[in-house]
Amino acid sequence: DAGVTQSPTHLIKTRGQQVTLRCSPISGHKSVSWYQQVLGQGPQFIFQYYEKEERGRGNFPDRFSARQFPNYSSELNVNALLLGDSALYLCASSLARGPNTEAFFGQGTRLTVV
Amino acid sequence: TQLLEQSPQFLSIQEGENLTVYCNSSSVFSSLQWYRQEPGEGPVLLVTVVTGGEVKKLKRLTFQFGDARKDSSLHITAAQPGDTGLYLCALNRDNYGQNFVFGPGTRLSVLP
Repeated sequence: DAGVTQSPTHLIKTRGQQVTLRCSPISGHKSVSWYQQVLGQGPQFIFQYYEKEERGRGNFPDRFSARQFPNYSSELNVNALLLGDSALYLCASSLARGPNTEAFFGQGTRLTVV
Repeated sequence: TQLLEQSPQFLSIQEGENLTVYCNSSSVFSSLQWYRQEPGEGPVLLVTVVTGGEVKKLKRLTFQFGDARKDSSLHITAAQPGDTGLYLCALNRDNYGQNFVFGPGTRLSVLP
């Protein structure tokens, strides 16, 4: 079975532009979460979606938005990009069956804002 | 507020040495997960510890959950270059299993 897939793998954008990142979860997983990992730090939670509804939101500005589609894939959108948005953006999917549920991560999208 | 602290931040050792990395919190958590992340990849789950005092072994890796469930350690015996990576501890903030708080990680380098 395919794991969590993210696209694109790398992206370079200019300040002020908008970006859309995509994630396909493992088949059967209805929960998708997004994380931002700045170089040298652990991942920071951005959003969680379950059954197309937002279930959690981290401490990120309104420039960040996301959605989940009927097939459980997801998109993360970031508007008005800042240099500080440069990071590895990780998507994770899971069965979301409790606090000990394993989350499976994709390899991430490396976003560079110049 | 950093809920999880990890130490050391960096560790560079020779192949064959033993090492221990730590994860601490001022709060009690119901369970803790350890992940390893290699360069250019997403984190991969190593283990989940649930019970205070619990010890789990995964080949040369030994994970321990503190009795008070506020700290955890990962011990690696006879480290190998393939153990190189970023070791992250994480706890779940909700009951659905997808809102993780990660520590800053310990970056381990095992030299041949």
